[in-house]
Amino acid sequence: AQSVTQLDSHVSVSEGTPVLLRCNYSSSYSPSLFWYVQHPNKGLQLLLKYTSAATLVKGINGFEAEFKKSETSFHLTKPSAHMSDAAEYFCVVSGGNYGGSQGNLIFGKGTKLSVKP
Amino acid sequence: DGGITQSPKYLFRKEGQNVTLSCEQNLNHDAMYWYRQDPGQGLRLIYYSQIVNDFQKGDIAEGYSVSREKKESFPLTVTSAQKNPTAFYLCASSNQGDRVEQYFGPGTRLTVT
Repeated sequence: AQSVTQLDSHVSVSEGTPVLLRCNYSSSYSPSLFWYVQHPNKGLQLLLKYTSAATLVKGINGFEAEFKKSETSFHLTKPSAHMSDAAEYFCVVSGGNYGGSQGNLIFGKGTKLSVKP
Repeated sequence: DGGITQSPKYLFRKEGQNVTLSCEQNLNHDAMYWYRQDPGQGLRLIYYSQIVNDFQKGDIAEGYSVSREKKESFPLTVTSAQKNPTAFYLCASSNQGDRVEQYFGPGTRLTVT
């Protein structure tokens, strides 16, 4: 069975400092992994996805994530935080045949990122 | 512009009333999904549909119903049987298959008093 754990429910950084949002996954097969961002009262926007190609994945808005199979991790990073990065971030794993559907995704509980001026 | 629309953005209902949330997509996606979002709980799958005229229950289907009569539309009805309906509801769509990303609508915030 697949599962995903976001290790921090809340991360606070200062503007211009690096961002690290941590995610660990569990999967019985080689998974696809995603990071989504959600601004308050908005839908989710895809930041990046890993689908077994390059292990370092670059996304939108300067974010990137590295797939580490040995550590079962897929942490999200950004070199320099901007005020507009303040939002909630979700790590997501593809469910394989989760719930009888190949397309179903399994969501982490989210990490809220605060950016201080 | 291609995308997913949900209406209305805010919805208020009295306890005991059924309410239907709209979801429309023009991305030509076969699959559509409904999620419920509560603070600190991530997203939980209510129903999904891989093809027109077919849909399946997700993890928390009790008290909800859906229909999929058209490829572009997947309305969700929150019935009076749903014990705690106040939440943020998100609709999504995707191409069929494994390892595909889902695209999300802007959400509907339902408040039941």
